[in-house]
Parts: sequence; structure tokens; C-alpha cells
Amino acid sequence: KNEVEQSPQNLTAQEGEFITINCSYSVGISALHWLQQHPGGGIVSLFMLSSGKKKHGRLIATINIQEKHSSLHITASHPRDSAVYICAVRRGGAQKLVFGQGTRLTINP
Amino acid sequence: EADIYQTPRYLVIGTGKKITLECSQTMGHDKMYWYQQDPGMELHLIHYSYGVNSTEKGDLSSESTVSRIRTEHFPLTLESARPSHTSQYLCASSVDNYGYTFGSGTRLTVV
Repeated sequence: KNEVEQSPQNLTAQEGEFITINCSYSVGISALHWLQQHPGGGIVSLFMLSSGKKKHGRLIATINIQEKHSSLHITASHPRDSAVYICAVRRGGAQKLVFGQGTRLTINP
Repeated sequence: EADIYQTPRYLVIGTGKKITLECSQTMGHDKMYWYQQDPGMELHLIHYSYGVNSTEKGDLSSESTVSRIRTEHFPLTLESARPSHTSQYLCASSVDNYGYTFGSGTRLTVV
């Protein structure tokens, strides 16, 4: 079993829908990252969380440390949001990240 | 605009050739990483560095080597490329209590 599990693995939705991607982890962490990878391959860091909730534009990320769970929400989704979204955790005092397998999101016009 | 630069973006090379993938960052980050990612799969750490003259192997065994002679530069070298090395290689950097910055990646094909 992977230390970081994401669901769903694939998600297709219509433009404007509210999107939720989930991430569960099984180890103690110091921080959790949400990353976005477009088809070209480059990765953009969206959020780094250690508690609570963060919002940036239409993106919202939450984390529940006790339940070892995080969610990424996208409001008013748009085709340009189509990408792979990756959850990654930083264990303890380490700087190295452990990655989930990613969620492939497709938003249709 | 990118603060971490990887070159080349794409590379097709013959078996047995020596290659160096370049990674440079302008943010003064002390920590740098190389990740390998096969299509549709998760990223795996192959090398990391916590500062100049410090390099460590990552969680995934790799035949590549790295060096960190300057803070901003973290090149990865394959002495003799093989088809099994075909993959995407992503460089990243970080500093304590802040997020990661990733490069655009190098997509390597060994024929």
C-alpha cells in the first residue's frame, strides 16, 4: 500500500462544476503539497499546508491532520484546469517528498 | 517565469552515449532534487543535495550520478545511456518552511 493515496485516479467533468480531489496518507508529516502537472510535463506548486485551509483564486486546499486527509477543491472549473493534480507529503523533519499517483482531471467545455 | 531551469527540454540519444542533464536555479535554495517519472506514473526521488558538496541517493536506485559544486547548479550525468533510462527527469529545489519549485523537466529517449 502506498504511503500517499489519491482519489479518484481519473475525473472528467463539465465546465463550471465544483471539483474535489482527495488525498490520504499513512505517515506522520510536517507538510503536504498539492502540485499541478500539465501535459508538457512541468510541475507547478499550488499549495503547501501543515494545517487548516488555504485559498488561491478558484483553488481551495484543506487538511485534517488527525484524519490524515487533505482535499483540493476547484470552484467554477474551466478547461484550462485540465491537468494531473499530485498530492505529496513531507515526512517529519525531512525535506524529501513522497508522492501520490496523481489524479488526471479533464474539464470539458 | 521559471526560477529553475532545465536543459535540454527534449533529448533523443543513442545507446552508450554519455549525457548530462542541466539544472540551475536562481533562488539561492540550498536543497535540490532530481526526480524520475515514467509516463502516467508517480515521481520517484533519485538524487538530492542539501548543499554544496553534499549529494545523496534517493529512494529509487539509479545509474546516474550528480554533483553540487555550486549552490545554483545540480547536473545529472549518465555515463552510458541505455533504453531503460528513457523517462522524464524533473529537477526541483526548496528551502526550509517553503514550498518546492520544479523545473519543466527533460524528456529523455534512448534509442
